Amino acid sequence: DQQVKQNSPSLSVQEGRISILNCDYTNSMFDYFLWYKKYPAEGPTFLISISSIKDKNEDGRFTVFLNKSAKHLSLHIVPSQPGDSAVYFCAAYRQGGKLIFGQGTELSVKP
Amino acid sequence: DAGVTQSPTHLIKTRGQQVTLRCSPKSGHDTVSWYQQALGQGPQFIFQYYEEEERQRGNFPDRFSGHQFPNYSSELNVNALLLGDSALYLCASSLLLGAGGYTFGSGTRLTVV
Repeated sequence: DQQVKQNSPSLSVQEGRISILNCDYTNSMFDYFLWYKKYPAEGPTFLISISSIKDKNEDGRFTVFLNKSAKHLSLHIVPSQPGDSAVYFCAAYRQGGKLIFGQGTELSVKP
Repeated sequence: DAGVTQSPTHLIKTRGQQVTLRCSPKSGHDTVSWYQQALGQGPQFIFQYYEEEERQRGNFPDRFSGHQFPNYSSELNVNALLLGDSALYLCASSLLLGAGGYTFGSGTRLTVV
């Protein structure tokens, strides 16, 4: 039962352009949604989160949008930089519950 | 302020052996969760500990067990290792009733041969 899904295993973007990473979920009871960035052989690093009562959260180049009716969230990175190349995981949890991850999307930002 | 610390960083074990992985949570956090990440997949939830008790468990066999100590640190034990147990094991700490999210350690790379 995959409650959090990232349907695109990879994404390639030109430096300076926008990167849009997508995530779908099935459990409408999630309280928080998070995006993590991960390099090989390292633990996930927290990027940005959004509460289920919000529809947008922005932090510098990173913006997360939440569409509760569609059970969909997205991460926008503008402008994309080569250092953003990594695997991005979408995750979600209910207060006091376990953090559930998607399968990840590998972002490649080309100079 | 130290984040989440995991040890060892790498480990090679033989099939059938037992292994213990360790985790020290971020200062101020009271909950520890363990995840298994196989190559090319997202981290899979193993179990979560709070107040020295297992609160939740994912779809992992009883060969996987854990412990949380009074100082909130935690251990993950895996018995009768199988080749398929080879993975990156991640520890995450959090506040059970907080909105601060989860902080991850760098993981322990376990290879079973």
